[in-house]
Amino acid sequence: QLQLQESGPGLVKPSETLSLTCSVSGGSISGGGFWWGWIRQPPGKGLEWIGIIYPNGLTHDNPSLKSRLTMSVDTSKEQFSLMLTSVTAADSATYYCVRQIGGGSWSLDYWGQGALVTVSS
Amino acid sequence: QSALTQPASVSGSPGQSITISCTGSRSDVGGYNLVSWYQQHPGKAPRLMIYEVIKRPSGVSDRFSGSKSGNTASLTISGVRTEDEGDYYCSSCAGGTSLVFGGGTRLTVL
Repeated sequence: QLQLQESGPGLVKPSETLSLTCSVSGGSISGGGFWWGWIRQPPGKGLEWIGIIYPNGLTHDNPSLKSRLTMSVDTSKEQFSLMLTSVTAADSATYYCVRQIGGGSWSLDYWGQGALVTVSS
Repeated sequence: QSALTQPASVSGSPGQSITISCTGSRSDVGGYNLVSWYQQHPGKAPRLMIYEVIKRPSGVSDRFSGSKSGNTASLTISGVRTEDEGDYYCSSCAGGTSLVFGGGTRLTVL
């Protein structure tokens, strides 16, 4: 059974960089033509798409975050990562890593449990 | 990219059918058969319930069904149960290179 697990600091200071890593187990990042991505959800609010990355490094980003966002993938470690620079309180959210069904489906069939990140001094 | 429009809340009695709508534009819902629906219980990660408008992942009850007409997609739950209570989100491919979510609908089973 595929499992995704987010890891990273739960508290980030304003203007600093938020960094999260997603570790994939029970399957391979490289196999099957899947994309891997990030979704966030501010407390008490709805879901926001952050972006996706293919095992070869190709990405699609949310235009509203593009200037601050970097995603990377390390297939040897079965991990992919997110960096978001110049964070503010508005970036406080639960961050989920996800797997996107291949073949252009744009559907997210596996989700991590989520990592709560708070931006505060 | 603008969020898709969903009703804030819907409710129904056990055994009834309920429908949640998701309205977008020709750039997203209307332009692609790539609408998904997710169920989220409090404190949990969302769960995929419907993808590509009408398809159900393995393990999802056939009480859940999806449809689309023009720029509006719908999720119907037949014979709603108390365990169906939660938040429901639609999503759609937008412009072929991004994903957009609806604002979410809280389902209450009375």
